[in-house]
Amino acid sequence: QSVLTQPPSASGPPGQRVTISCSGSSSNIGSNTVNWYQQLPGSAPKLLFYSNNQRPSGVPDRFSGSKSGTSASLAIGGLQSGDEATYYCAAWDGSLNAWVFGGGTKLTVL
Amino acid sequence: QVQLVESGGGVVQPGGSLRLSCAASGFTFSSYGMHWVRQAPGKGLEWVTFIPYDGSYEYYADSVKGRFTVSRDNSKNTLYLQMSLLRVEDTAVYYCAKPDSWGQGTLVTVSS
Repeated sequence: QSVLTQPPSASGPPGQRVTISCSGSSSNIGSNTVNWYQQLPGSAPKLLFYSNNQRPSGVPDRFSGSKSGTSASLAIGGLQSGDEATYYCAAWDGSLNAWVFGGGTKLTVL
Repeated sequence: QVQLVESGGGVVQPGGSLRLSCAASGFTFSSYGMHWVRQAPGKGLEWVTFIPYDGSYEYYADSVKGRFTVSRDNSKNTLYLQMSLLRVEDTAVYYCAKPDSWGQGTLVTVSS
């Protein structure tokens, strides 16, 4: 059982917008920033967002990140087949002294 | 650009030991804390351990505490993970992470 809670799956047709949630607690998301990672099949995770909503260069602006209280969200607009991947949220947990992850959300583009 | 290259994975019997290395380049390694994260086959990401930029302390996941030891050599820009008393459930791809950059991972298989 992961410390951060994500839905196991999400889907949508090409061009649609989907949102992936990440729920935590006051010791992790509530007091630290959230990173989002994209893991394509057979590849290492790639940073999608850092500090809740900061997009590294090269990440398209149809991806957006946000945080409110003890939850965070990743939104992907204009879905493309290349977006099919598993998405993970992560945050430092000050009570556990651990970097905690969500269980991952597998995105399917229908 | 940032490069992290893990090595040292392989097949080991239960109870055995293995040392992983992560060679870093493209950034000032001695200025950054580093993590090891693992991923069992078909499973999600599991954090293993963290060491700060100067190696002054370490944090471990409960699942590896007392069996794994993280260290670093800033003169060689290299991060290490010494794994002992390995269990079948330690089978995974092990990644070092900066954490804005990850290596490609090295596979550790614990099997008799």
